[in-house]
Amino acid sequence: NAGVMQNPRHLVRRRGQEARLRCSPMKGHSHVYWYRQLPEEGLKFMVYLQKENIIDESGMPKERFSAEFPKEGPSILRIQQVVRGDSAAYFCASSQQGFNEQFFGPGTRLTVL
Amino acid sequence: DAKTTQPTSMDCAEGRAANLPCNHSTISGNEYVYWYRQIHSQGPQYIIHGLKNNETNEMASLIITEDRKSSTLILPHATLRDTAVYYCIVRVESSGTYKYIFGTGTRLKVLA
Repeated sequence: NAGVMQNPRHLVRRRGQEARLRCSPMKGHSHVYWYRQLPEEGLKFMVYLQKENIIDESGMPKERFSAEFPKEGPSILRIQQVVRGDSAAYFCASSQQGFNEQFFGPGTRLTVL
Repeated sequence: DAKTTQPTSMDCAEGRAANLPCNHSTISGNEYVYWYRQIHSQGPQYIIHGLKNNETNEMASLIITEDRKSSTLILPHATLRDTAVYYCIVRVESSGTYKYIFGTGTRLKVLA
């Protein structure tokens, strides 16, 4: 019974490169959420997706960030032209329904040099 | 903007009960309180949630005041493995969708 999976676990990028973070939800879950955590801070909501739809992206920066959750395959959080301020831990969570508790993955730690 | 306030840190002796308070004075009538914990920067782990009644499961108990402006998470017999950051979260609803609003959490240290 695999939990939420994220890869890569660690990602290093130079300024200006692209970062792609992947999230595979728990089996049977069709709701995915992305959060960002800066050092010594709580998690900040970024975006909520269901299969093929973005439901709420109110926490996502308007530029350079995008997310998708295709019919087949994992959810992808994409950051274009990364800057040092994008360095953070990015967590994905999934739930069975929108109102159920969310289960979190182990996170991807992005470091921008 | 966090809807919860928690003490920054707390210590608890091993084997004793750990009582973690949380204030959520602006909570709305249909907003649930959730508790998660994060150990060593791993992904947050679900503990318990409630609306207005007290709740108990194998991990913890949740006591919510009658006015719902605050709650307390109780770990009845803390162990060293309970050392973690504990987040009190309000689940907000907007247009039929739900999302978690995390606060800054309480760093609980269980002492041997």
